[in-house]
Amino acid sequence: DGGITQSPKYLFRKEGQNVTLSCEQNLNHDAMYWYRQDPGQGLRLIYYSQIVNDFQKGDIAEGYSVSREKKESFPLTVTSAQKNPTAFYLCASSIFGGGTYEQYFGPGTRLTVT
Amino acid sequence: AQKVTQAQTEISVVEKEDVTLDCVYETRDTTYYLFWYKQPPSGELVFLIRRNSFDEQNEISGRYSWNFQKSTSSFNFTITASQVVDSAVYFCALSDNTNAGKSTFGDGTTLTVKP
Repeated sequence: DGGITQSPKYLFRKEGQNVTLSCEQNLNHDAMYWYRQDPGQGLRLIYYSQIVNDFQKGDIAEGYSVSREKKESFPLTVTSAQKNPTAFYLCASSIFGGGTYEQYFGPGTRLTVT
Repeated sequence: AQKVTQAQTEISVVEKEDVTLDCVYETRDTTYYLFWYKQPPSGELVFLIRRNSFDEQNEISGRYSWNFQKSTSSFNFTITASQVVDSAVYFCALSDNTNAGKSTFGDGTTLTVKP
């Protein structure tokens, strides 16, 4: 079964702790993306990567970090610098970057920081 | 700059009614791509359709149809004979060449289909 997996589905952390969200794809897609979704709102781009070992900041990158050491993996770290980290995080991938192709999404991770 | 407007925040219909979800976009590029995604209560977005700016042909897929009009910068989505399983949040998205491949999503329209 090809697709995107995100783990865990629910994540709870104490304020001040860094936390890493996992995203893995076996679709052989070049591009991967991280979005944040707050209740009743659309998707906001955090980071994206069009190729291995390269990534760019999206619209709300402050307080987040990523790595892309392998084509199939794009983990997101929510650092303690992120002022309001509680949200629903979605990972996506597409065949290539450039925005030409549709994105395929994982099931999401719901992060709660107290 | 890219912008996508989904003016309808919430729509509620009764099963078997037809419903149209509006999407208006802004871009300065002549080459761009439009998308619709469905987000059911489970949370995972599902791709529905992609359309490029050079193809204004409308498309029908079962009960779904899309109307792309460059003259009004709109890419509307119609569900015919709606069903309860159509209840979801629907997002329209836009990407163009000048924005480094990033897609801009609208705020979404929450569709509730009542039995």
